[in-house]
Amino acid sequence: SQTIHQWPATLVQPVGSPLSLECTVEGTSNPNLYWYRQAAGRGLQLLFYSVGIGQISSEVPQNLSASRPQDRQFILSSKKLLLSDSGFYLCAWSVLRSGGNTGELFFGEGSRLTVL
Amino acid sequence: DQQVKQNSPSLSVQEGRISILNCDYTNSMFDYFLWYKKYPAEGPTFLISISSIKDKNEDGRFTVFLNKSAKHLSLHIVPSQPGDSAVYFCAASETQGGSEKLVFGKGTKLTVNP
Repeated sequence: SQTIHQWPATLVQPVGSPLSLECTVEGTSNPNLYWYRQAAGRGLQLLFYSVGIGQISSEVPQNLSASRPQDRQFILSSKKLLLSDSGFYLCAWSVLRSGGNTGELFFGEGSRLTVL
Repeated sequence: DQQVKQNSPSLSVQEGRISILNCDYTNSMFDYFLWYKKYPAEGPTFLISISSIKDKNEDGRFTVFLNKSAKHLSLHIVPSQPGDSAVYFCAASETQGGSEKLVFGKGTKLTVNP
């Protein structure tokens, strides 16, 4: 069965420090991978998505970047964190909708980032 | 510009009664709609979905209705149970360039009172 893990679960970082959140997926090949952020009052905002190794699409201009060095690994980074980067970050994977597959997203456990 | 809107941030219902969560969208290219349930400090979990070619999909206590002309969908939970208390996100999907992106609403917090 497929599993998705992201870490760390909780992170407290000072403004201006770097960030690295990692996500790995097991049990599936060539998944689409996503980074979402849930900020207070803003629902789930899509930050990045990737359809393959080295292929990253950014949805919103921001202080963050993403990389996909391996098929089932997705990394969210920042060189210098801002206060506004605080939030709950979620990694997710999916396969393209076809046949009986609904194309739903499967989410990781989430990473709570607090920037002080 | 919000493409998926959940205008009610919260909803409170008595146990055993019906919960109706609403969602509106603006992009007519969305071809698939999903509902997710989320507990605090956890990732959302898939609940139920509906294709744009249908107007109703039912799964146990959960039914999703789609009104394409009004660009509106709703999730009905009958009967509501205290364990249903969570934040519910409406999501819409559009296939673009071989990738499917889900756009989420802001969520509605459902509280089911015993």
